[in-house]
Amino acid sequence: AAGVIQSPRHLIKEKRETATLKCYPIPRHDTVYWYQQGPGQDPQFLISFYEKMQSDKGSIPDRFSAQQFSDYHSELNMSSLELGDSALYFCAPLGRHNQPQHFGDGTRLSIL
Amino acid sequence: GENVEQHPSTLSVQEGDSAVIKCTYSDSASNYFPWYKQELGKGPQLIIDIRSNVGEKKDQRIAVTLNKTAKHFSLHITETQPEDSAVYFCAASKGGSYIPTFGRGTSLIVHP
Repeated sequence: AAGVIQSPRHLIKEKRETATLKCYPIPRHDTVYWYQQGPGQDPQFLISFYEKMQSDKGSIPDRFSAQQFSDYHSELNMSSLELGDSALYFCAPLGRHNQPQHFGDGTRLSIL
Repeated sequence: GENVEQHPSTLSVQEGDSAVIKCTYSDSASNYFPWYKQELGKGPQLIIDIRSNVGEKKDQRIAVTLNKTAKHFSLHITETQPEDSAVYFCAASKGGSYIPTFGRGTSLIVHP
C-alpha cells in the first residue's frame, strides 16, 4: 500500500544544534511537500520538490534547507535550532489533483 | 494570498448524532477543497475533496457541500462513531501545483 515513512519519529535537540529529518514516500514519487505543525496549529507549508529541484517555498526559515535525492527520498536539514522550532514535521507526496493527499506520521522535534 | 477560516474549533457530539464543520475561503480563484482527518500521533489523511464544478459530494457517512458564490464549504458527518474523533482540517487551493492553505482545524469528540 502507498504511504510515507518518516524518520526519526521523535527527536530531542538542544538550542543551536542541528537536525536532519528524512522522508521516504512509498512508492517513490517525484514530488514531495514538507509541512510544519506547531502544537494545536494547522500544518504550515515549508517547501516542495519536483524531480529533485525545489518547486515552491513557503514559510521556511533560512536556517532550514531541504533536498530530494536520486532515489526520491527527501531530507529536511535544520540548523541553529531554536525553541520555536519544536513542532511536528510532516512530508507528503503528490496525490489526487496534484495536491498532497496522505501525510507521513511525522517527526516530533523537541528543542530543550 | 488565500485565507481559510474554520469553525468551530471544538465540536462535541454524542455517538449517532451528526457533525457539521464549516469553512470559508477568500480567494475566488480557489477551485479545489480537500478535507483531512488527523488522528492523535498521525499525519493528516485526505478523507474527501470537492472541486468547484461540483456542489456536493458524498462518500458513505461523509459529505461535503460547496457554495462558490458565498465562498464557503462544509463537512457533514452522519451517524458519528467514537472512531470519528480526530482533528479535521479543511483546505483550499487553486489546484494544479498550487499549495493548499489549511484552516485552523476542528477537534471533533464523539462520546459513546
